[in-house]
Amino acid sequence: DAGITQSPRHKVTETGTPVTLRCHQTENHRYMYWYRQDPGHGLRLIHYSYGVKDTDKGEVSDGYSVSRSKTEDFLLTLESATSSQTSVYFCAISEPVRGETQYFGPGTRLLVL
Amino acid sequence: SQQGEEDPQALSIQEGENATMNCSYKTSINNLQWYRQNSGRGLVHLILIRSNEREKHSGRLRVTLDTSKKSSSLLITASRAADTASYFCATDSGAGSYQLTFGKGTKLSVIP
Repeated sequence: DAGITQSPRHKVTETGTPVTLRCHQTENHRYMYWYRQDPGHGLRLIHYSYGVKDTDKGEVSDGYSVSRSKTEDFLLTLESATSSQTSVYFCAISEPVRGETQYFGPGTRLLVL
Repeated sequence: SQQGEEDPQALSIQEGENATMNCSYKTSINNLQWYRQNSGRGLVHLILIRSNEREKHSGRLRVTLDTSKKSSSLLITASRAADTASYFCATDSGAGSYQLTFGKGTKLSVIP
C-alpha cells in the first residue's frame, strides 16, 4: 500500500446522501483506477483516469462520477448513495512506461443504510 | 462481465503441500496477471505473464499460460500458513487503456 492512501477508510452514510472518496498517491503514476469489490463478483472497474482531467467509464459506472484535478488525487463521488453501493472501494495506480502492474490502496469500506 | 474465472473458488491444504489455482478467460489478451489479497487488505501484484509466454517463475510461484485454451494456472509450491489469502487473475486485453478485468478469486487456506 506504500504511496497510495485512501480516505476515509470506513464510512457509514444514509441513502440519498452524497459521498466522496479520495485516493491520494505519491508515486506520480499517470493512471488511476477506482474498483468496487463485492462478494461473488471480485473486483469491478468503476472509472479510471489516464491523466489530469482525463477520465473514462468502467464496467459499473452508473451512479458514480470522478474527478482528477491533480496528478496525485482521484476522487470518486456517489451523488446520491444507494444501498446497492455498499461495498469495499479500492483505488489503484499504474504507470505503463514502467510496466502494466497496478498498485492498490488499502480500501474504503462503505455502508449505505 | 468478468473476463477471468478462477477455479476452485476455495482451496484448503496442509502446510508444505502445493496449491494450484486455475483461471479461464474469454477474449484475447495482452497479458495476464495474478494478485494476492490478504483479508481486509488491498491487492498485491504477484506475477505477470505475456501472451507470447508459456511459463514464468518467481520464487515459489509458477504460472503457465495456454492461449489456445484461454487458461492460466498459478502453482504455489511448498505452501506456508502465510500464503493464506485470496488469489485473483486479471487480464489486460491490450485495448490501450491498461484496464484489468479481474476474476472472482480463489480463497486459499493453508493449515499449519
